[in-house]
Amino acid sequence: EAAVTQSPRNKVAVTGGKVTLSCNQTNNHNNMYWYRQDTGHGLRLIHYSYGAGSTEKGDIPDGYKASRPSQENFSLILELATPSQTSVYFCASGVDWGANYAEQFFGPGTRLTVL
Amino acid sequence: QQKVQQSPESLIVPEGGMASLNCTSSDRNVDYFWWYRQHSGKSPKMLMSIFSNGEKEEGRFTVHLNKASLHTSLHIRDSQPSDSALYLCAATYQGGRALIFGTGTTVSVSP
Repeated sequence: EAAVTQSPRNKVAVTGGKVTLSCNQTNNHNNMYWYRQDTGHGLRLIHYSYGAGSTEKGDIPDGYKASRPSQENFSLILELATPSQTSVYFCASGVDWGANYAEQFFGPGTRLTVL
Repeated sequence: QQKVQQSPESLIVPEGGMASLNCTSSDRNVDYFWWYRQHSGKSPKMLMSIFSNGEKEEGRFTVHLNKASLHTSLHIRDSQPSDSALYLCAATYQGGRALIFGTGTTVSVSP
């Protein structure tokens, strides 16, 4: 069954440390996304990708890098984690319907706590 | 500046009642609207999408769209406890390639 998986599911990091969140999709979708979800802010787009080798900045990219080494994998990297990056992170995949978007399929989320 | 605004923030509906949720884009260059549902502790899943003016019904769920007013609404009739969730409205914009989400409406269905 097509799916989006994320690892780790829970992570506790220290301030200033490096954190890598991984996402894998078996949907064979071109597009992949990283969001964070905080109470009162809904889902906010951090980075996205159109395909292997591409990454684009979303609405809140500061403090985050992304990497798309293959169609299936999309990583979010926090080089110097800060407590303000404590959040739930969702990865999603999706495919264009012609010039516009089809639905996005979300992974189960990663709960990140930065102490 | 949030492009997608949702109201109300939260809603309590009696079991069997009607829930009505609103969503408006502050940017006129909106293409399409989407509704996602997220149960507590779970990931969002698409509920319905609407692209054209008018109404679309799927079971107990009805979505309306008025493109002139940049407004969409979601109505849940005969609400069930399983409908208790966070409902997220999202939009895509001309020239963009990502969904922009609102902050959501939390619906609680009381038995």
